[in-house]
Amino acid sequence: QSVLSQPPSTSGTPGQTVVISCSGSSSNIGSNTVHWYQHLPGTAPKLLIHSTFARPSGVPARFSGSKSGTSASLTISGLQSEDEADYYCAAWDDTFNGYYVFGTGTKLTVI
Amino acid sequence: QVQLQESGPGLVKPSETLSLTCNVSGGPISNYYLSWVRQPPGKGLEWIGSIYYSGTINYNPSLKSRVTMSVDMSNNVLSLRLTSVTAADTAVYYCAKDQTARLWGQGTLVTVSS
Repeated sequence: QSVLSQPPSTSGTPGQTVVISCSGSSSNIGSNTVHWYQHLPGTAPKLLIHSTFARPSGVPARFSGSKSGTSASLTISGLQSEDEADYYCAAWDDTFNGYYVFGTGTKLTVI
Repeated sequence: QVQLQESGPGLVKPSETLSLTCNVSGGPISNYYLSWVRQPPGKGLEWIGSIYYSGTINYNPSLKSRVTMSVDMSNNVLSLRLTSVTAADTAVYYCAKDQTARLWGQGTLVTVSS
């Protein structure tokens, strides 16, 4: 099982702000940058946030990332219907000679 | 613009070896790491491993004993072998650019069943 924990689901109405949390440990989030992915069913996952805060070209500014200690958060402001998707955090883990670990995933429903 | 496309058999029998390839276009694969990620039906994403052309490889410790990744630089192809498969290995398998999966292929479904 994943070493990064996320709430299984969350929801919001259009225009609202939603925060998705990601809890890890000193060997992953505590010592490495965090990345976030958006996954729509039937499509390839898309990198949303890299290096904890940075947005790849084309990702709207209403998506933002942050980190404090061994936890990280993805904030989606001005929620839109097309944001309904699964969201995963991820980070490099320094144990076992190093490996990349994904969070458990959060299903976002836009009501 | 780098593009990735997975291919391989959609059905593998239990205890056999799963073999997949990922064709990379838009640039030589010596420029970056490549990774494999999978998603079992109804479950989350699981990182399988990453490889650099120079031979640097990292595997998920939970799969390390059964996984082999390699690259064919002359053909720009990434390969995955997973031995002794069971139904738990049924998943959509993705290849991705970089260790942190900045760009993904469309994925290919592999079902393990007799």
